[in-house]
Amino acid sequence: QKEVEQNSGPLSVPEGAIASLNCTYSDRVSQSFFWYRQYSGKSPELIMSIYSNGDKEDGRFTAQLNKASQYVSLLIRDSQPSDSATYLCAVNYSGGYQKVTFGTGTKLQVIP
Amino acid sequence: GAVVSQHPSRVICKSGTSVKIECRSLDFQATTMFWYRQFPKKSLMLMATSNEGSKATYEQGVEKDKFLINHASLTLSTLTVTSAHPEDSSFYICSAAPRRTSGRRPYNEQFFGPGTRLTVL
Repeated sequence: QKEVEQNSGPLSVPEGAIASLNCTYSDRVSQSFFWYRQYSGKSPELIMSIYSNGDKEDGRFTAQLNKASQYVSLLIRDSQPSDSATYLCAVNYSGGYQKVTFGTGTKLQVIP
Repeated sequence: GAVVSQHPSRVICKSGTSVKIECRSLDFQATTMFWYRQFPKKSLMLMATSNEGSKATYEQGVEKDKFLINHASLTLSTLTVTSAHPEDSSFYICSAAPRRTSGRRPYNEQFFGPGTRLTVL
């Protein structure tokens, strides 16, 4: 069974600090990786996608992918209270139109 | 771009009635749409994958006769909860995947609708 593992948290960081969220996956065939943010009572919002080893930066967000170690991470620089949400890691195992597998999410709390 | 709408956003119905939820991709064509359910403080649970012009593929344990899915066009999929019961009360969320390519490698991103909160009395 293909799995995506995340620490449920909560992960608490002070405002202005770097938040580091981690995700591991079970299948080496995985091709595409996504990070979604979900505020309480709302639907998920795509914030990053990555499919090559290395780092991908977008504003305060950096996604890191290491296929050899089967992990993907999300760094949030200069964390703001508005970043407080649950962050979902998702993995697409075969590309194309195939479904993704979601982790259970990590709850992030940014303390003012 | 990549906007997905869902209607209604909230519905309250009596036990035994049927409820239809619409999911539309507003600015792109979506060959594939997905339907999820999420209970409070729980993770997303994929219910089914909907492909335009063909039958939906349901996940194990999801009753296809209870959760009817129709994907009649490249921008619209509907989920009908038939004979709803209180245990069907949940947050139903659709997503749509536009096909894109990066070089010769295809990948997909799912864009979520705002969700429909269903309460069955």
